Amino acid sequence: KAGVTQTPRYLIKTRGQQVTLSCSPISGHRSVSWYQQTPGQGLQFLFEYFSETQRNKGNFPGRFSGRQFSNSRSEMNVSTLELGDSALYLCASSSGQGLETQYFGPGTRLLVL
Amino acid sequence: DQQVKQNSPSLSVQEGRISILNCDYTNSMFDYFLWYKKYPAEGPTFLISISSIKDKNEDGRFTVFLNKSAKHLSLHIVPSQPGDSAVYFCAASVGSQGNLIFGKGTKLSVKP
Repeated sequence: KAGVTQTPRYLIKTRGQQVTLSCSPISGHRSVSWYQQTPGQGLQFLFEYFSETQRNKGNFPGRFSGRQFSNSRSEMNVSTLELGDSALYLCASSSGQGLETQYFGPGTRLLVL
Repeated sequence: DQQVKQNSPSLSVQEGRISILNCDYTNSMFDYFLWYKKYPAEGPTFLISISSIKDKNEDGRFTVFLNKSAKHLSLHIVPSQPGDSAVYFCAASVGSQGNLIFGKGTKLSVKP
């Protein structure tokens, strides 16, 4: 069974630009969650999508948004990039049968210059 | 305000000895706790969990202890192996389906 895949793996953007990250969950998984990892704040929950609906949301500004498609693939968008958005963005998919069933992808490393 | 704290950024242990990783939390609503292991360039992988109705859960070399009154949990790895060298994250949730709140991680180095 293929794992969670994230594209691209690395990305460099400049302040003010916008970026879209993609996540393909494990086949059969309908829940996709996004996390931001930074040295200062650690791993922080961004949002979770289940069956194309946002089910949970963390404490991030509206510049961070996401969506999920009917095939469960998910995208995350960050508009008006700031230097502080430089981070590792992790996607995790789950069957919905408890947090133990959540599998993480390798992440997309975003650098904002 | 950090709700989940891992106060030791790093830990070094000799192969074969016990590794003890600690985690404290402040939110008394948390009732589900998980430990993850993360290697460089990979996402975190689930290791072991415990719910607040238990005070201990064991899986092979890994045991998690929960002290609700102290709002403290620990992960014991016995015996430690060089392949255990990784960053370990403690995470907490309200319910087994809630949002995960992570600690900042402890980097474990197991020396041969």
